[in-house]
Amino acid sequence: GAGVSQSPSNKVTEKGKDVELRCDPISGHTALYWYRQSLGQGLEFLIYFQGNSAPDKSGLPSDRFSAERTGGSVSTLTIQRTQQEDSAVYLCASSSGTAYNEQFFGPGTRLTVL
Amino acid sequence: GQSLEQPSEVTAVEGAIVQINCTYQTSGFYGLSWYQQHDGGAPTFLSYNALDGLEETGRFSSFLSRSDSYGYLLLQELQMKDSASYFCAVGYTDKLIFGTGTRLQVFP
Repeated sequence: GAGVSQSPSNKVTEKGKDVELRCDPISGHTALYWYRQSLGQGLEFLIYFQGNSAPDKSGLPSDRFSAERTGGSVSTLTIQRTQQEDSAVYLCASSSGTAYNEQFFGPGTRLTVL
Repeated sequence: GQSLEQPSEVTAVEGAIVQINCTYQTSGFYGLSWYQQHDGGAPTFLSYNALDGLEETGRFSSFLSRSDSYGYLLLQELQMKDSASYFCAVGYTDKLIFGTGTRLQVFP
């Protein structure tokens, strides 16, 4: 079936504006993850959803960041009052419930804050 | 906290063998995973070590030693298409913490 999809692929916004990034996981995958990757850097864990459990928000860098997952499928990452340091590629991944070690990544959303 | 260190860059020639090390300062994790990421692309899963020892998958092998807090990814018969970044990651209660990444450049 289809892999993980993300939209938009690119987003340019002005400092102070809010942005929403969308992730469609692989059908049937109960786990969904958001990461942030700055240019030439590693993957920074942001948030994790597993089924109907409360999300693990331990990686969110500030209260300007939030995420939802509706119906156990699509997820939206929202960044409020964007800052220039928020510029990065935001990657979404999903996995089956028992195979968190093998995550399937989407193509990412490249966010540029001017 | 968790800390995983990798060399920032490794270079090699086609046909050679290269080893990418991953050292960590953490405990209580479930296993060590490796991912490959080509420039502009998404990370893709390569291998996973739940137990100490060597796991082989074609030209790629991965090793874990919990007693030494150390693991590595071994790439054999290098090809130009292997030029990419490689990340180790430790698993904690259903999530992964990624290392800093190693950029591998393969030359003809």
